Amino acid sequence: GAVVSQHPSRVICKSGTSVKIECRSLDFQATTMFWYRQFPKQSLMLMATSNEGSKATYEQGVEKDKFLINHASLTLSTLTVTSAHPEDSSFYICSVLDSITGELFFGEGSRLTVL
Amino acid sequence: AQSVTQLGSHVSVSEGALVLLRCNYSSSVPPYLFWYVQYPNQGLQLLLKYTSAATLVKGINGFEAEFKKSETSFHLTKPSAHMSDAAEYFCAVSDRGNQFYFGTGTSLTVIP
Repeated sequence: GAVVSQHPSRVICKSGTSVKIECRSLDFQATTMFWYRQFPKQSLMLMATSNEGSKATYEQGVEKDKFLINHASLTLSTLTVTSAHPEDSSFYICSVLDSITGELFFGEGSRLTVL
Repeated sequence: AQSVTQLGSHVSVSEGALVLLRCNYSSSVPPYLFWYVQYPNQGLQLLLKYTSAATLVKGINGFEAEFKKSETSFHLTKPSAHMSDAAEYFCAVSDRGNQFYFGTGTSLTVIP
């Protein structure tokens, strides 16, 4: 299966700053990537679907100007949390869709803490 | 539309005992079904998947699941629990495209 790498795994920032999280598909050309947010002891909440070369599709209630997603190549998608606030603190996970097998492969996750 | 229900947010079993994690789904199309495991502060790892071949699916780490269309279920089992099985388990259904729906997860505790 696809190997997906996220960076950084942990990041701490001050309120008001922007943070970029990278999601790389190391051995698979990913046309479609997904970004999820996970609160403690809860399931995954889909934030947006990222399509290579086009604008991301955001889920209802997710602020696209707050959570900027760029999918400029078949191996890289980035999530930028702009002007981060403490309520943005969460675990963010990306995944890659293998459209042939129908499987999702996940990155290791990135824990964001906003002070 | 698809949805997933995982019965039991917390399951505790003794080491060596049977593990049974329940998952029921609803789907308007023939679904793909998945079980994922998540260890603390990590992403999700695929345990096994059903994609319309054999209804009894074997996965990694001794886990297996059986697709029962009549019961709309895809329960996860393991004959003998190991301490290393303690984790969060998520059932997911897809429409065979890019729409995935995850259950709320079941936290498995293994008691020594």
